Amino acid sequence: EAGVVQSPRYKIIEKKQPVAFWCNPISGHNTLYWYRQNLGQGPELLIRYENEEAVDDSQLPKDRFSAERLKGVDSTLKIQPAELGDSAVYLCASSARQSSPLHFGNGTRLTVT
Amino acid sequence: GENVEQHPSTLSVQEGDSAVIKCTYSDSASNYFPWYKQELGKRPQLIIDIRSNVGEKKDQRIAVTLNKTAKHFSLHITETQPEDSAVYFCAARPFTGTASKLTFGTGTRLQVTL
Repeated sequence: EAGVVQSPRYKIIEKKQPVAFWCNPISGHNTLYWYRQNLGQGPELLIRYENEEAVDDSQLPKDRFSAERLKGVDSTLKIQPAELGDSAVYLCASSARQSSPLHFGNGTRLTVT
Repeated sequence: GENVEQHPSTLSVQEGDSAVIKCTYSDSASNYFPWYKQELGKRPQLIIDIRSNVGEKKDQRIAVTLNKTAKHFSLHITETQPEDSAVYFCAARPFTGTASKLTFGTGTRLQVTL
């Protein structure tokens, strides 16, 4: 089966600019996650979707971050405006159900200059 | 919320030796404990996981043990090979609930030397 697909793979932007990341989960996976991984750290959850509903967005900085999962399949994560501290790898993951193992995509490495 | 601590942060072993990575968790409701391997610039990949109804699970050279009373779990890699070199992350998650999320440790960089 195809894995979790993310794009772009790399993104370099200037601070205050907007940026968007896209994720296509494994087919049939109802649960989708966005994680942020800072250098030398473990992934930290930003938001979790069950189908098209965001069921946990407590760690999402809502003043600048937004996410959507239209039709319960693909998802986009947006930052506007980006700050220097947003530089990180943004990982998307999916699982068949909330209690199932997570499968990660290759991530988007964001550099904010 | 859950807090996962992982030790050591770096580990160097000679090829053929064993490697052990240890994690502790804080939430007694956690009952799912996966381990991920992440090679440089690549995605985290699930290598083994364990649920709280078992104390040990083995898959070839990899094993995980769980002590629910002490709230710690460990990854054991035997007969290490150079391709085992990577960063390993442990994680913990409560079974259900809207607040249920997978919390990761800070990672262990394993270096297997020839």
